[in-house]
Amino acid sequence: KAGVTQTPRYLIKTRGQQVTLSCSPISGHRSVSWYQQTPGQGLQFLFEYFSETQRNKGNFPGRFSGRQFSNSRSEMNVSTLELGDSALYLCASSPRTGFGYTFGSGTRLTVV
Amino acid sequence: AQSVTQPDIHITVSEGASLELRCNYSYGATPYLFWYVQSPGQGLQLLLKYFSGDTLVQGIKGFEAEFKRSQSSFNLRKPSVHWSDAAEYFCAVGAQDNAGNMLTFGGGTRLMVKP
Repeated sequence: KAGVTQTPRYLIKTRGQQVTLSCSPISGHRSVSWYQQTPGQGLQFLFEYFSETQRNKGNFPGRFSGRQFSNSRSEMNVSTLELGDSALYLCASSPRTGFGYTFGSGTRLTVV
Repeated sequence: AQSVTQPDIHITVSEGASLELRCNYSYGATPYLFWYVQSPGQGLQLLLKYFSGDTLVQGIKGFEAEFKRSQSSFNLRKPSVHWSDAAEYFCAVGAQDNAGNMLTFGGGTRLMVKP
């Protein structure tokens, strides 16, 4: 059974640009969550999608957005990138609430 | 609001020694509790989880954790540490309601293993 796949693995962007990250969950998993990991702030919840609907959103500015497609694949977008957006972005999928979350290997975003 | 505290930022143990990583949580009801491990440059791997029932939970790689409601703790233990256990460990709490799948993580404990 394939795991959670995140693409790309590494990304370098310039301040002011925008970026889109992709996550393919485990087959049959309808919940996809996104987390940002930085050395200073640790692991922080961004948002969660279930059956194409955003159910929860963390405390991040509106520059961070996401969506989920009918096949449960998800994308997150960050517009007007800032240096502080440099982080490891992790995607996790789950078949249902509280079942347990399988994480992908993450996308390492560097903003220069 | 839920929160998780991992009091030890770094822990060093000798290979073969026992290990206990501490985790304290704050949550108004019965939580979902998780332990994850992360190797450098990698994602998070689930070690074990507690939802309900038996308060001693067995996980992968020989790890176990005990849920103690009275102490709001969910400490991770391993009787004999292997060099390959060196990594960062995260405790997390999730809500037991239909509000969705939001995990709150502790700050992590970095484990180093001495030969």
